Amino acid sequence: AQKITQTQPGMFVQEKEAVTLDCTYDTSDPSYGLFWYKQPSSGEMIFLIYQGSYDQQNATEGRYSLNFQKARKSANLVISASQLGDSAMYFCAMREYSGGSNYKLTFGKGTLLTVNP
Amino acid sequence: KAGVTQTPRYLIKTRGQQVTLSCSPISGHRSVSWYQQTPGQGLQFLFEYFSETQRNKGNFPGRFSGRQFSNSRSEMNVSTLELGDSALYLCASRWNRGNEQYFGPGTRLTVT
Repeated sequence: AQKITQTQPGMFVQEKEAVTLDCTYDTSDPSYGLFWYKQPSSGEMIFLIYQGSYDQQNATEGRYSLNFQKARKSANLVISASQLGDSAMYFCAMREYSGGSNYKLTFGKGTLLTVNP
Repeated sequence: KAGVTQTPRYLIKTRGQQVTLSCSPISGHRSVSWYQQTPGQGLQFLFEYFSETQRNKGNFPGRFSGRQFSNSRSEMNVSTLELGDSALYLCASRWNRGNEQYFGPGTRLTVT
């Protein structure tokens, strides 16, 4: 079974509007972390935001916020005031902590966001 | 602070050859992980190294190996290359107590 599901292969948004990218996850580990990364056409993965499973507040980083709904196992990324430079592939990822200090990210298939002028 | 660097950025190899990719982590980061990205399989975890020890390994054949040096620099090696090994290989580093991994620009390997 897929651990990270991103159901939107592609999304379009007008410049200056907000957009939500969906991510659902599956884990039986009570302790886990959720990440969003941006990958422009150049290929480099850029870290955007992190949410821990025990964090009470939704994470925010500038124009990025993570809408964390633990009971629904969803961790949607919200980008406010979209910019042309936001056009890129966006990946949701999860780390499960049952492995102790071991660190392994499981990624979704990604969503290609296009910002139109 | 300099980011994660990877060399070479592009590589073309022939089936059956072997290849070595290099990764220099962010200064102070001792954990280095490798990922393979292909259009079909997406991003897949290869392995993680910390203090010269492999801590975790993904589901890849033994042709894929790696190592880490005392300065935290890491190399990964793929022997007996197959066409399906064509991919973007991404290296990432993190501070051991940190949550976020920071990725390098990747090495794009083409096997012909």
